[in-house]
Amino acid sequence: QQQVKQSPQSLIVQKGGISIINCAYENTAFDYFPWYQQFPGKGPALLIAIRPDVSEKKEGRFTISFNKSAKQFSLHIMDSQPGDSATYFCAASMRYTGFQKLVFGTGTRLLVSP
Amino acid sequence: NAGVTQTPKFQVLKTGQSMTLQCAQDMNHNSMYWYRQDPGMGLRLIYYSASEGTTDKGEVPNGYNVSRLNKREFSLRLESAAPSQTSVYFCASSDLTGAPREQYFGPGTRLTVT
Repeated sequence: QQQVKQSPQSLIVQKGGISIINCAYENTAFDYFPWYQQFPGKGPALLIAIRPDVSEKKEGRFTISFNKSAKQFSLHIMDSQPGDSATYFCAASMRYTGFQKLVFGTGTRLLVSP
Repeated sequence: NAGVTQTPKFQVLKTGQSMTLQCAQDMNHNSMYWYRQDPGMGLRLIYYSASEGTTDKGEVPNGYNVSRLNKREFSLRLESAAPSQTSVYFCASSDLTGAPREQYFGPGTRLTVT
């Protein structure tokens, strides 16, 4: 119930292509769905996030699509660039009194070839 | 603003040795977290502190202890290191009074136990 399943494990996309990473969850108590981006040797950093009352959120080249009935959400990176090469983690969050519990997916290593 | 800082960056321990990982944040956040990151497993929560003076177990607390020294600092202690604790450790902090509900991560400590 607490798991977030993420696929694919790795992804190679040509420059200018679309990168798509998928995640699925079980627990309907999750109320916030962030994506984190991590470069080698660095900590994860928030990329974009969505709440379950909207079906899509776009920020620049990054879009989250959210399907509440299917309990699935995905990250689309349009016009992928070599600088997007990183590991991407989806997560699902529920808020407790005074703190936020984040459950992470297992990560997707994206390589954008020049 | 340094954000979240962690020391040391790298550490090698022998089985049975002890050590403390240090974490500090300068964003005046109430909540702090310790995660471990292992290949193919994403980030898993070890311990968290919702506020100064409180700590609670996360998903994988066995073999670890924590101290919330003050609002800024949250340390993680390995009393008797085991090879299974070889991992990259991340500290994070968050403030639930604002939006988005972002957790800010430190740069990580890469620990090897031989």
